[in-house]
Amino acid sequence: RKEVEQDPGPFNVPEGATVAFNCTYSNSASQSFFWYRQDCRKEPKLLMSVYSSGNEDGRFTAQLNRASQYISLLIRDSKLSDSATYLCVVNREYGNKLVFGAGTILRVKS
Amino acid sequence: NAGVTQTPKFQVLKTGQSMTLQCAQDMNHEYMSWYRQDPGMGLRLIHYSVGAGITDQGEVPNGYNVSRSTTEDFPLRLLSAAPSQTSVYFCASSYPTARGYTFGSGTRLTVV
Repeated sequence: RKEVEQDPGPFNVPEGATVAFNCTYSNSASQSFFWYRQDCRKEPKLLMSVYSSGNEDGRFTAQLNRASQYISLLIRDSKLSDSATYLCVVNREYGNKLVFGAGTILRVKS
Repeated sequence: NAGVTQTPKFQVLKTGQSMTLQCAQDMNHEYMSWYRQDPGMGLRLIHYSVGAGITDQGEVPNGYNVSRSTTEDFPLRLLSAAPSQTSVYFCASSYPTARGYTFGSGTRLTVV
């Protein structure tokens, strides 16, 4: 079993739709959590950190459930420019060792 | 402010050749890491460093060496290239707080 699991998709949605991605992690000692975005043939870029209290950045909302070891990302009012692969990432305790999920592909269509 | 700079961007090697992938950051980040990305597998940690003179192995270290003589530079050496090392390699750096990493633009390596 992978340490971080994501539904690979692809999620094909129309512009303006709301879409949700889920992620589970197996290491209960994980300390911090992130969503990264990766465009085709580009490097991953930090989208947002994820906190237990939930956090929002414009159209994006992230949520962490430590008890269930579950992370979510909600995108509202999808734009064509949101098309990318979304990577769920957890940080082990020491040395900032990030563990990446394989990613969820999002395609937003007009 | 260049961020994280990786060179070269593309490289083709023959089996058995050695080479060094360069990584430099100008953000005074203490933490630096090397990842490889293969289709369907996500990014996997090769080696990492928490400061100059300190390195440690990640998930897939075999066939790779690193050193960290300065805060800015963290080169990755392939000792004897194998086709299984065909991949995209990313270098990343971070402050030692839970803020996430900044990635370089990657090196696409093909071993034939």
